[in-house]
Amino acid sequence: QQQVKQSPQSLIVQKGGISIINCAYENTAFDYFPWYQQFPGKGPALLIAIRPDVSEKKEGRFTISFNKSAKQFSLHIMDSQPGDSATYFCAASKGGNTPLVFGKGTRLSVIA
Amino acid sequence: GAVVSQHPSRVICKSGTSVKIECRSLDFQATTMFWYRQFPKQSLMLMATSNEGSKATYEQGVEKDKFLINHASLTLSTLTVTSAHPEDSSFYICSARHRPGVETQYFGPGTRLLVL
Repeated sequence: QQQVKQSPQSLIVQKGGISIINCAYENTAFDYFPWYQQFPGKGPALLIAIRPDVSEKKEGRFTISFNKSAKQFSLHIMDSQPGDSATYFCAASKGGNTPLVFGKGTRLSVIA
Repeated sequence: GAVVSQHPSRVICKSGTSVKIECRSLDFQATTMFWYRQFPKQSLMLMATSNEGSKATYEQGVEKDKFLINHASLTLSTLTVTSAHPEDSSFYICSARHRPGVETQYFGPGTRLLVL
């Protein structure tokens, strides 16, 4: 049973465009939703995270939109750049010391 | 953000040998660390949760006698792959929580293991 479903699997966006990656979860006990960026051969790096008490969080060009009733959250990358080309993972956890549950990842390619 | 290091960054070993991977939190104390493995073009798979001073909690299907985890101090956890075989070749990544009860996890740079 996949607890966090991520789509699309891969995404190609023109430079300057908006990249949108979506995730859906099933467990209503999840209360922490981070996004990670991973370059080949590197560990994941935390991009931005949100809790269900807010519907949107923005940090620079990265925005998380959260829909609690639909149990969905998404990452928007504004003004996408070739340097944003990486694999992006959404995740969720129940808080405390519980581990993160990851989506399957989205390979983003930003082309000039 | 907080810094987590791993050593070595890559290791090649012969089948049947044991390999130890270190995970260190450089600028904070981590009571809980996590070990993941990642196959090419796949997501991170949680192997175990490592708690300082106690036994690790392994995920279903992960052999605890094969993947030995030790969390002897608040800044160091080790993963030992015992009697490694080619199918153990993978990318091993650790992560640590910055503070107890705070969900934010910081990941190490990963260790690429190749078993010949």
